[in-house]
Amino acid sequence: AQRVTQPEKLLSVFKGAPVELKCNYSYSGSPELFWYVQYSRQRLQLLLRHISRESIKGFTADLNKGETSFHLKKPFAQEEDSAMYYCALRGYNTDKLIFGTGTRLQVFP
Amino acid sequence: GAVVSQHPSWVICKSGTSVKIECRSLDFQATTMFWYRQFPKQSLMLMATSNEGSKATYEQGVEKDKFLINHASLTLSTLTVTSAHPEDSSFYICSAPGQVSSYEQYFGPGTRLTVT
Repeated sequence: AQRVTQPEKLLSVFKGAPVELKCNYSYSGSPELFWYVQYSRQRLQLLLRHISRESIKGFTADLNKGETSFHLKKPFAQEEDSAMYYCALRGYNTDKLIFGTGTRLQVFP
Repeated sequence: GAVVSQHPSWVICKSGTSVKIECRSLDFQATTMFWYRQFPKQSLMLMATSNEGSKATYEQGVEKDKFLINHASLTLSTLTVTSAHPEDSSFYICSAPGQVSSYEQYFGPGTRLTVT
């Protein structure tokens, strides 16, 4: 079964601290993994995808097929990073996205 | 960039009535759109895939007779909640894959439905 798991509902850190938002997935095949972000009172938007292997707003995420994980990391959190983060999976030959339950990141000054 | 709009942004209706929610792709065509439901502080649950010119594909457990989806044109999909009940109160969000980069989904701002 396809499933995305985000074990933390809330992650609170102080500004400048490192951040890691965990995501594990279950999929029989090679999925595509994404991180979407929803800032307060804004719509959901794409943050990054595993294929591009790029850093967006200082965030990176590496797909670990052995551990079936796609954790989102940032070495120094900023207050403007406070938002809801969703890990999502897209299977082969489909545009459907399966979302995790989301993690709320709070960055305190 | 690609923009998806939803109308209305919020609606209150009485139990037993039907409510229609529109999802439009403003500057691109979308042969496929997705409808999600989001409960407070919970994840997005995919309800159905809306297909232009053909029937929608519903996810397991979603009542197709209750949540009617019509994809009448390449820029418009509608979700009608029929005979609404208080338990249908939720945040409904639509999305569409981009034309150039189909991997990216563009999300609407959502519609908050409250059934009294």
